[in-house]
Amino acid sequence: EIVLTQSPGTLSLSPGARATLSCRASQSVTNDYLAWYQQKPGQAPRLLIYGTSSRATGIPDSFSGSGSGTDFTLTISRLEPEDFAVYYCQQYGSSPITFGQGTRLEIK
Amino acid sequence: EVQLLESGGGLVQPGGSLRLSCAASAFTFNTYAMTWVRQAPGKGLEWVSVISGDGGSTSYADSVKGRFTISRDNPKNTLYLQMNSLRAEDTAVYYCAKGGLASFVDWGRGTLVTVSS
Repeated sequence: EIVLTQSPGTLSLSPGARATLSCRASQSVTNDYLAWYQQKPGQAPRLLIYGTSSRATGIPDSFSGSGSGTDFTLTISRLEPEDFAVYYCQQYGSSPITFGQGTRLEIK
Repeated sequence: EVQLLESGGGLVQPGGSLRLSCAASAFTFNTYAMTWVRQAPGKGLEWVSVISGDGGSTSYADSVKGRFTISRDNPKNTLYLQMNSLRAEDTAVYYCAKGGLASFVDWGRGTLVTVSS
């Protein structure tokens, strides 16, 4: 199974700043089938990005994804107060689906 | 709008059993694989199991293999997870999600399973 390692574990930034979250896979992700989710307390995860770089419906263009193979990045260009949450990457290129352990984005 | 509504969670003793349900609506249920994902308190997301649209193919995480059984009733638009021999480490919020080997747009709100004596 593919192990996804996210870094940093916690990211402390101020509103208006740029956030860069990393997701590294233990082996190449087939077809770059890598997704990113946002989760707030008490809520189900919300899909942000699929296929490495495609934004899900309704996701603002402040969110962007990039990468290939084993190294992937989620960038939030300018943080809004509602962006502070936990972010997970997920690979769905090979079975079983696996998730990263998450990055907590907190207000500095 | 797709809706997924889990139910059946609760408090159960170690070694006990529980059956979770996920009622689906607003999409053609039998044409989609369905997945269970869980999240232990304060922890990350863990894929649990998937079932094909016709129910003929299933897969499980090693952590639940032999103890959990996924199934579906397509005429009732309902997904199930039968959980036997429950352990403390199975304590989690269980989510159903629409899709199989995929990214998940649609999730339920989750149902909490607590395994404790």
